[in-house]
Amino acid sequence: EPEVTQTPSHQVTQMGQEVILRCVPISNHLYFYWYRQILGQKVEFLVSFYNNEISEKSEIFDDQFSVERPDGSNFTLKIRSTKLEDSAMYFCASGSGGPAHEQYFGPGTRLTVT
Amino acid sequence: AQKITQTQPGMFVQEKEAVTLDCTYDTSDQSYGLFWYKQPSSGEMIFLIYQGSYDEQNATEGRYSLNFQKARKSANLVISASQLGDSAMYFCAMRERSSGNTPLVFGKGTRLSVIA
Repeated sequence: EPEVTQTPSHQVTQMGQEVILRCVPISNHLYFYWYRQILGQKVEFLVSFYNNEISEKSEIFDDQFSVERPDGSNFTLKIRSTKLEDSAMYFCASGSGGPAHEQYFGPGTRLTVT
Repeated sequence: AQKITQTQPGMFVQEKEAVTLDCTYDTSDQSYGLFWYKQPSSGEMIFLIYQGSYDEQNATEGRYSLNFQKARKSANLVISASQLGDSAMYFCAMRERSSGNTPLVFGKGTRLSVIA
């Protein structure tokens, strides 16, 4: 069964460094999303992406963040100049845009900023 | 105001029993979708079940069913015949507007523990 994959599973970085989180969505899906979950808290939306551009973004998704679909398979989230409060689990999700518009999540990347 | 409210931070259920996890939502949209996701201790988010606002029948997927009461704005998840592997966090989520672009809004979750 097709699934969303994410790499790395765990990333440790120092404050102020840049990180790139990578995702491979399900191949025939058209809609892509990034969410994050700070430890013990609820899942929060960051950004959605469709037709090679950002569709929606939350107030969390400020100039520190960017997304890119550099080729036909990868979908990346870049965080410039990481802060301690960026430590969280980052989930990529993709959807086919079918009637339910259900979103399938990857296993997540746990980002730890020290 | 919270869009999704899950009032039960934790629930316990005996193996083989049924359990209901509560979810209420708040929206002024006529077209919306309601979802439940399971998050085991390993951390991944697993899609369980979907209910559309115009669906007249409650959604069912195997042992999962969604008790949809539109007038009350509730979308409770019912798990029948609980198994030890059902122990996890369960998140209710809503998508407003009928568009693939629309993000999901999640509740704070309910931690379900199944007891042998």
